[in-house]
Amino acid sequence: EPEVTQTPSHQVTQMGQEVILRCVPISNHLYFYWYRQILGQKVEFLVSFYNNEISEKSEIFDDQFSVERPDGSNFTLKIRSTKLEDSAMYFCASRGDNNEQFFGPGTRLTVL
Amino acid sequence: AQSVTQLGSHVSVSEGALVLLRCNYSSSVPPYLFWYVQYPNQGLQLLLKYTTGATLVKGINGFEAEFKKSETSFHLTKPSAHMSDAAEYFCAVSEPRSSYKLIFGSGTRLLVRP
Repeated sequence: EPEVTQTPSHQVTQMGQEVILRCVPISNHLYFYWYRQILGQKVEFLVSFYNNEISEKSEIFDDQFSVERPDGSNFTLKIRSTKLEDSAMYFCASRGDNNEQFFGPGTRLTVL
Repeated sequence: AQSVTQLGSHVSVSEGALVLLRCNYSSSVPPYLFWYVQYPNQGLQLLLKYTTGATLVKGINGFEAEFKKSETSFHLTKPSAHMSDAAEYFCAVSEPRSSYKLIFGSGTRLLVRP
């Protein structure tokens, strides 16, 4: 069964460093999303992406964040200068035409 | 703006008892509604969804939910709880005009007592 994959599973970084989180969506899906879940809190929408551009973003998704689909298979989330409050689990999701989003296993980001 | 409210951050039931997890939503247009389950240290797995049509939807693992427009509710039920049902459950809503992004509730942790 096709699935969304994410790498790395855990990323530890120093405050102020750049991180790139990687996702491989399901191959025939065209809509991609990033969400985050701070420990003990609910899952929050960050950004949606379609046709090589951002279709919607939340207030959380400020200038420190960017997304890219560099090669037609990977979908990346970059945080330019990490802050302590960026520590969270980041989930990638992809959607086909049936309005059902499939989630990856997540990347746990720890900012020290 | 869309929002989702899940009543009860923790629900505890005995094995074999009825499971009822409550979800209410607000949306200005007919929404799509979802229940996801999250096991410890894992991602989100779709349990069931409502988009159109029959208001009682059946999902995996014996769960079902009923869309009640008049009550703006989408409660999740299972007739008989199993120990393996212990997990965090998230209700979510999406709207076609908003890139179908999911807005999640704060989650309900289901505990199943032997």
